[in-house]
This record gives sequence, C-alpha cells and structure tokens, in this order.
Amino acid sequence: GENVEQHPSTLSVQEGDSAVIKCTYSDSASNYFPWYKQELGKRPQLIIDIRSNVGEKKDQRIAVTLNKTAKHFSLHITETQPEDSAVYFCAAAYGQNFVFGPGTRLSVLP
Amino acid sequence: GAVVSQHPSWVICKSGTSVKIECRSLDFQATTMFWYRQFPKQSLMLMATSNEGSKATYEQGVEKDKFLINHASLTLSTLTVTSAHPEDSSFYICSALPGGTEAFFGQGTRLTVV
Repeated sequence: GENVEQHPSTLSVQEGDSAVIKCTYSDSASNYFPWYKQELGKRPQLIIDIRSNVGEKKDQRIAVTLNKTAKHFSLHITETQPEDSAVYFCAAAYGQNFVFGPGTRLSVLP
Repeated sequence: GAVVSQHPSWVICKSGTSVKIECRSLDFQATTMFWYRQFPKQSLMLMATSNEGSKATYEQGVEKDKFLINHASLTLSTLTVTSAHPEDSSFYICSALPGGTEAFFGQGTRLTVV
C-alpha cells in the first residue's frame, strides 16, 4: 500500500523567513496531494492541494510543487507569520484512499 | 466548503463503559465516511471506512467488535467504542469527501477513559 514520509518532523523559523516541508510517497497510482494545517485540538484544514497533472500551484504565500517522477512534493510558505505555527500534514490520495504523512510541527518565532 | 459536524467534542468515561461518537454531514449526503484516530503528536491513522447501508471496512489491526460503526443514513455515521479502556484514550476524527476528492473533517472528539 501507499507509504508517505514527511520531513522535517519539527521546523522553527524566524518570522518573515520561508519554510519548506517535503513529502515522498510510494504508490505511483496516487494522483491527489493535499496539505492540511492542524492547530492544537482542532480539525485539520485544507490549505492547498495539487493534482498529478500539475507541477506547481501557488496561493498567496503558500505554494506546492510536485515531482511525479521522483514521487515527492513540497510545501513552501513564504513570509511566515506567527499564526502559521501549527502541525502540517501532507497526504497522498487515490480516489477516496488517503494516506497521511507523520506531520511537521512548524514554529514561527517572532 | 462542506460541513462535517462531530459530536461530542470531548468525553470522559469510566473504564468498561461504551461511548458513541456521531459524525454528520450537514449540507451534503455522504455514502462514505472515514474514521481516524490520532494519538498525541502523531498523524491521522485510518481506522475504518463507513459505508451507508452496508458493513464498515476496517483497517488491519482495528478490532471491529470494539469499534462499532453504523452508517444508517446518508448524513450520519456513528463510532461506538465498546468496553473502553485507558489505552483507547485518543483523538477521534471523522471525514467525508463530498466532491470525491477534497476531504472535510469533523471537529474531532477527545476521548479520555479513566
């Protein structure tokens, strides 16, 4: 089955700097790659997603890149703000089958 | 976006009792819902797939007799943790995919078994 790895597990950046989180997946059938932000004790919220027919997608300060050949995708957050502090999960999905990465705890230091 | 409502948001129960968690799709019909378990500082692990009108599909290692799932209508799935023990304490989250791809999550239920 699908296996999703995510790095780093923790990341601390200064406010205003960029943050990059990387994920790899194993199943070439996966064709949908969402990223979720989860604040403590709350539900995961979709922040951006990308499909396998696209290499890059951007939404304001957030961007995601996908390399299908290498089976990896990355989340890029620019001009980080303290409210970006949370746990971020990547996922690889095929149909309704979602497999989540282990998560990255991002801390943005003021 | 679509709304998935989960209730209760937190529950404390005594060891040996059963707890029911509800997951409702408020503005769409969900023939399939998903139940996840999340331990502190860990990722979401799929427990089971709830199918309306039929039996749930459980992931390997999840006891179907302990985690009873009922999906009796197109807007409601329930997860009952039977004979709960302290090791069952966790954050349980449901999700549904109204459009077939984007997953929407319930608020989650923090279960503490004492």
